[in-house]
Amino acid sequence: KAGVTQTPRYLIKTRGQQVTLSCSPISGHRSVSWYQQTPGQGLQFLFEYFSETQRNKGNFPGRFSGRQFSNSRSEMNVSTLELGDSALYLCASSLGQGAGRATEAFFGQGTRLTVV
Amino acid sequence: GNSVTQMEGPVTLSEEAFLTINCTYTATGYPSLFWYVQYPGEGLQLLLKATKADDKGSNKGFEATYRKETTSFHLEKGSVQVSDSAVYFCALTSNFGNEKLTFGTGTRLTIIP
Repeated sequence: KAGVTQTPRYLIKTRGQQVTLSCSPISGHRSVSWYQQTPGQGLQFLFEYFSETQRNKGNFPGRFSGRQFSNSRSEMNVSTLELGDSALYLCASSLGQGAGRATEAFFGQGTRLTVV
Repeated sequence: GNSVTQMEGPVTLSEEAFLTINCTYTATGYPSLFWYVQYPGEGLQLLLKATKADDKGSNKGFEATYRKETTSFHLEKGSVQVSDSAVYFCALTSNFGNEKLTFGTGTRLTIIP
């Protein structure tokens, strides 16, 4: 089956602009999570969506937002970009069956965002 | 809150050497534990997992045992290959009704022929 698809793979934006990243999860997966990966901070959790609802949120400013559509596809948006937002943004999808054992997360290849 | 402490790298080994990458965790309740691997230019791939105490996860010659008494999940492989060169991440989920993964800092492994 098709894996997790993230688009675009690479982006270059100017400070102050906004950006939207897209993630298409594996068919049948209802949970989509987003992570930011930087050399200095490592992998940090941004938020998780399950059945179109944000279920958990990391410690990021309000400039970072997301949403999930009825087909489980997800987008994340970063407004008023800062140089420090340059990172690899990873999306992970999982079955997300709710309470109980967390299910296996499958990651996309990521979107490399560079802010200049 | 949850946290994962992972052996700092980089680690360089000769082919066929024995590998250990240490991982310890802090979490409430009974977390699930994972090892992910990241190859250059790629996302993360699940290497192995364990969902309860004393479980052993294994895959591709790698093994890790969920040790609740020492809150550890060390990754081992008996004979590494050049193709094992990658960055390895230890991670956990709290199983409290969400899928959030908490990651360690990652260990870069380089295998020399």
